[in-house]
This record gives sequence, structure tokens and C-alpha cells, in this order.
Amino acid sequence: DAGITQSPRHKVTETGTPVTLRCHQTENHRYMYWYRQDPGHGLRLIHYSYGVKDTDKGEVSDGYSVSRSKTEDFLLTLESATSSQTSVYFCAISEGGELYGYTFGSGTRLTVV
Amino acid sequence: QKEVEQNSGPLSVPEGAIASLNCTYSDRGSQSFFWYRQYSGKSPELIMFIYSNGDKEDGRFTAQLNKASQYVSLLIRDSQPSDSATYLCAVASSTGKLIFGQGTTLQVKP
Repeated sequence: DAGITQSPRHKVTETGTPVTLRCHQTENHRYMYWYRQDPGHGLRLIHYSYGVKDTDKGEVSDGYSVSRSKTEDFLLTLESATSSQTSVYFCAISEGGELYGYTFGSGTRLTVV
Repeated sequence: QKEVEQNSGPLSVPEGAIASLNCTYSDRGSQSFFWYRQYSGKSPELIMFIYSNGDKEDGRFTAQLNKASQYVSLLIRDSQPSDSATYLCAVASSTGKLIFGQGTTLQVKP
């Protein structure tokens, strides 16, 4: 997806290890979001950011933390990965916030074994 | 009651037919409404947005919004096999969050 890159694309990790997912954008958009997508649950908001060092929790934030030290980078950290965090993680960006829609990255498929 | 509800499908239509996808939402203060298309194994892609009651057309796609009845729909005319995907309805609620439905899977059969 133009202007937004997620890394890694795939990752397998062991239960109890910390994991960091990266979202990088070149659009200079203020708003950034982390979602997870699971069968039967759809897209659920984990954390979001309205600017550098301005972050807040979404509906499923337990076990996750985020950081945004630069406009272009939004990091999602699983402090101690659990099998319930096996999911596909999407980063999204927006120029104007919720009223204007989001552009999604390609996603990271995370498996916790 | 879920905040944004969609029939999960699958909705199966023959090639060339009109596909009608529906979505209802619970927050009467919602202001913006979006349709995303998601191919299997890919990320959601914004295809339509609508802010006002009525219809909005873009090529073969028409979004319809009825705030009084709290539903939004997406019509796809002249459906093609390449339209086969999951369609996600998203609503910007009065709490300032974008809420997604679980999606409707559309299958267009040649």
C-alpha cells in the first residue's frame, strides 16, 4: 500500500517473549492506528495516536503498548506474547481522523506458539 | 446489540447481476460511513464513503444512507468475478471512533 509499510509481514514467536511490530508512513499523516483482525470479531482497535507522543487505548489494549516518537513511525509491542494474541495486525493512517476514513497497511500475520 | 451489524453471508450473485450489501448501526450520532473491500489475505481498501442521506454513485458502486432508519447499503451493478471479496462497513461514531462490522462475503459466479 502506497505510503504505509508494516514490518515484519510474518512472524512466529514463542509464548512469553516480547514482540514489536512496526508501522512506517511517508504521508506525514497525523493519525495512526493499530487494529487486529480475527475470525468472528472483525477489526478491533488496539491503540491509536493523534500525534507524536500522543497515544491512547482502544477496545482491546490489554497486553499491548505503543510508542510514537516520530510522525512516521508507530510501534506496537506485545509485552509478553500469548497464544490469544495470534492474529493479523493492521496499521492504518488517516489525514483527518475518523470522519475521513483510513488507509491500511498490508498487515502482519503473527503466530504465537 | 453490536454497534455495526452486517450479514456475514456468503452472498452469491451471478455475473452481471446487482449485488446489494447492507449494514445497520446503533449510534444515532454517527456522522461518516464507509465501505471497504478486502480480498482474501489482503488489507481493507476504501471504496466508498458517504456523509449525507441519499445515494452516492461512483462507477458501478452506489452507497445509500438512511440515517432515520440507521442503515447504509452498497450496491454493485454489473457484478464481476473480481468483485468477489469481503465488504466491510465502517461507521464513525459520535464517540470519535471508527467502528467496523464483521463484513459480508460476496461471491460472484461466472
